[in-house]
Amino acid sequence: ETGVTQTPRHLVMGMTNKKSLKCEQHLGHNAMYWYKQSAKKPLELMFVYSLEERVENNSVPSRFSPECPNSSHLFLHLHTLQPEDSALYLCASSQDFGDLIYEQYFGPGTRLTVT
Amino acid sequence: DQQVKQNSPSLSVQEGRISILNCDYTNSMFDYFLWYKKYPAEGPTFLISISSIKDKNEDGRFTVFLNKSAKHLSLHIVPSQPGDSAVYFCAASSLGGNTGKLIFGQGTTLQVKP
Repeated sequence: ETGVTQTPRHLVMGMTNKKSLKCEQHLGHNAMYWYKQSAKKPLELMFVYSLEERVENNSVPSRFSPECPNSSHLFLHLHTLQPEDSALYLCASSQDFGDLIYEQYFGPGTRLTVT
Repeated sequence: DQQVKQNSPSLSVQEGRISILNCDYTNSMFDYFLWYKKYPAEGPTFLISISSIKDKNEDGRFTVFLNKSAKHLSLHIVPSQPGDSAVYFCAASSLGGNTGKLIFGQGTTLQVKP
């Protein structure tokens, strides 16, 4: 595998279910991100992890819970979601050198539908 | 309030002609800008970037222009090819302590007709 991979690619879940999204990067990066893309809206940053520590949480509801066990893996745990949470969830990674900006590399996304 | 705006949701051009995609921003602290391209069922892929110390950056058929006084950037694709048909996102960031936080526009769908 190369680049950034995400599983599953599609997920349908009920509002009472618990599921997890997985992201893995094979680029040797030290920062990882979760984004949400809803229809006709810009990508919204949800979480940022740098060196496995969460450094940004853009006021995301607690029904979304991220986990970053190491610099290559990122999870998004989902529970008691709402239909409006249906969206494309994108994972990205980059090399974080503090005040230097490096391009983010995105995975293909997980298309989530909450019924 | 949206800090990065792409006011044209779609653009259609003929193969071989120039495609110009526009992006406006409101935050004067932004000093690094990127363009991403996204095909259906794929994640966005990085295309080209520019820092605020430049007003132009070129990479093959792709050129990004930055007008800081107008808080405006544009992506030129010359010549356009059918394979360029995709959604294009501009993104902005500010150096220093933001851990790569990018603010994205809502995207412009480009269709290049053969």
